[in-house]
Amino acid sequence: DVKVTQSSRYLVKRTGEKVFLECVQDMDHENMFWYRQDPGLGLRLIYFSYDVKMKEKGDIPEGYSVSREKKERFSLILESASTNQTSMYLCASSLRLFGTSGNHEQFFGPGTRLTVL
Amino acid sequence: KQEVTQIPAALSVPEGENLVLNCSFTDSAIYNLQWFRQDPGKGLTSLLLIQSSQREQTSGRLNASLDKSSGRSTLYIAASQPGDSATYLCAVAGGAQKLVFGQGTRLTINP
Repeated sequence: DVKVTQSSRYLVKRTGEKVFLECVQDMDHENMFWYRQDPGLGLRLIYFSYDVKMKEKGDIPEGYSVSREKKERFSLILESASTNQTSMYLCASSLRLFGTSGNHEQFFGPGTRLTVL
Repeated sequence: KQEVTQIPAALSVPEGENLVLNCSFTDSAIYNLQWFRQDPGKGLTSLLLIQSSQREQTSGRLNASLDKSSGRSTLYIAASQPGDSATYLCAVAGGAQKLVFGQGTRLTINP
């Protein structure tokens, strides 16, 4: 089974702090994704990566950056955390991109609930 | 812009009933549609993925159908159990390599 793990289940940070959220997948997937989930807004894509050191912006990249130095690890960085970044953050991975042959199924981690005070 | 709607927002049924969850989307140009389950405070568990060329997929007591031309998918759950209680999300895969999610249906199965 695909396993996607996230470094923390719960995190509390102060406004202005630099925050790192880590995600690791163990199935040699090419693609990794960061979403945030908010009541009434659903899940929204922040960034995704289709290869090591490659990244693409999603719908809401402002205030975030990402890093993918190794295939299995994808980090989400909040350069200066703000209260409006309080949310549930979900990481996902998939073997293949949409529009290519192969398995496109996205597998999600357990989520990190981040509170910024 | 793709929009995904799930109706109803919440559903409560007695144990043992068969039930149908609905998902509609506005743009039929999709690669696939995926159904997920989410327990409170947890991540998403993938249930079924239907490719755009397929009409349905089955896994155990779950059956998902896809009608691309009408922009609809249904998730059928047979012989519901209390353990099926969760929020069910559908998501469509379109351009820009992103899944567009519906708001979900919160399902409660009463013993």
